[in-house]
Amino acid sequence: GAVVSQHPSWVICKSGTSVKIECRSLDFQATTMFWYRQFPKQSLMLMATSNEGSKATYEQGVEKDKFLINHASLTLSTLTVTSAHPEDSSFYICSARPPGGVFQPQHFGDGTRLSIL
Amino acid sequence: DQQVKQNSPSLSVQEGRISILNCDYTNSMFDYFLWYKKYPAEGPTFLISISSIKDKNEDGRFTVFLNKSAKHLSLHIVPSQPGDSAVYFCAASGVPSGSRLTFGEGTQLTVNP
Repeated sequence: GAVVSQHPSWVICKSGTSVKIECRSLDFQATTMFWYRQFPKQSLMLMATSNEGSKATYEQGVEKDKFLINHASLTLSTLTVTSAHPEDSSFYICSARPPGGVFQPQHFGDGTRLSIL
Repeated sequence: DQQVKQNSPSLSVQEGRISILNCDYTNSMFDYFLWYKKYPAEGPTFLISISSIKDKNEDGRFTVFLNKSAKHLSLHIVPSQPGDSAVYFCAASGVPSGSRLTFGEGTQLTVNP
């Protein structure tokens, strides 16, 4: 089946640090990947849609300069949280959809727990 | 504006019985619906989906029912097993939003041995 790998799984760092999270589709090519954020006991909120070879599309209220997305290849998208602060602490999850049309389900990575001290 | 709602935050069921998880949506442009299962500190795992041209889709112990007139879908798990204990999210996508998914708030299912 479709496998999406996300790394690292857990990050603890000081306030002001920039953190990069990688999302890879291991057995398929993904022209589009998605980045979500989940707060405790809440739903997954879409942050941005990552498009291979072009700029990401950000959801309303998401700061594009804060959350930098790069989708340089068909199997890799990265999310960089720049100058992270404690309020950026959250669970970040990426997903990708295999080719085959709009009725293919998105498959998710295992998420990254980000804790900013 | 919560376009996908799961009104039951939790559900407890005995092993071997049926689990029924419910989901309502408001956007009539949604045409593809999915159920995901999620354990703590892990990403969601895809379970089953249904397109709006169908009213039922079955995969092993999992069946999803779609009632378009009521804008309601449900996931039935029969028989329920302790390993099914997890948070279940329904999600929807539609023409205007392309492949973007809108998630419900999730329902914590606990299957008791």
